[in-house]
Amino acid sequence: DGGITQSPKYLFRKEGQNVTLSCEQNLNHDAMYWYRQDPGQGLRLIYYSQIVNDFQKGDIAEGYSVSREKKESFPLTVTSAQKNPTAFYLCASTPIGTSGRNEQFFGPGTRLTVL
Amino acid sequence: GQSLEQPSEVTAVEGAIVQINCTYQTSGFYGLSWYQQHDGGAPTFLSYNALDGLEETGRFSSFLSRSDSYGYLLLQELQMKDSASYFCAVRDDTDKLIFGTGTRLQVFP
Repeated sequence: DGGITQSPKYLFRKEGQNVTLSCEQNLNHDAMYWYRQDPGQGLRLIYYSQIVNDFQKGDIAEGYSVSREKKESFPLTVTSAQKNPTAFYLCASTPIGTSGRNEQFFGPGTRLTVL
Repeated sequence: GQSLEQPSEVTAVEGAIVQINCTYQTSGFYGLSWYQQHDGGAPTFLSYNALDGLEETGRFSSFLSRSDSYGYLLLQELQMKDSASYFCAVRDDTDKLIFGTGTRLQVFP
């Protein structure tokens, strides 16, 4: 089955620790995105990548880092510099060229809680 | 700045019709989309408008007026399972999707 997987579903971290959230897709999509969602809020873009080995900052990139070494994978690291990291993190992908429908495919999300 | 405004909450009863409005102000416009998100779940794509007018997909329809920077999502024959949050989104001139703040729809029996 094609889709996007994110792991883990729930993640707990102590203050001052870095943590990496996994995102893998087997849809052969070129572009991948990371969003942050806070309770009762919309989606805010953290980072995005339209091609392997290239990525751009979104609106709230401070305290986060990403890599795109493979087309299928776009891990997000939440660093200790992120002041308020507790949130729901969503990964999405879309094929370049057919993005005219603005259709992004989302993974199930990772709920990060900082203790 | 870029913004998409939606009502925060809408309530309705089963079988009714509800309209969720979205007004946008973005740098560039390459279509208006709508997404549905159930509590704790991931957003799923519902509809897309690139040109003015109404697009119908089953019980859901979406409308766009580019001159007014306005669109809406129309849900007909509401069912309990339609209780969810609905987000409008615009693709801007940097090819990013900008999402609205979301409208929480509660359907009552």
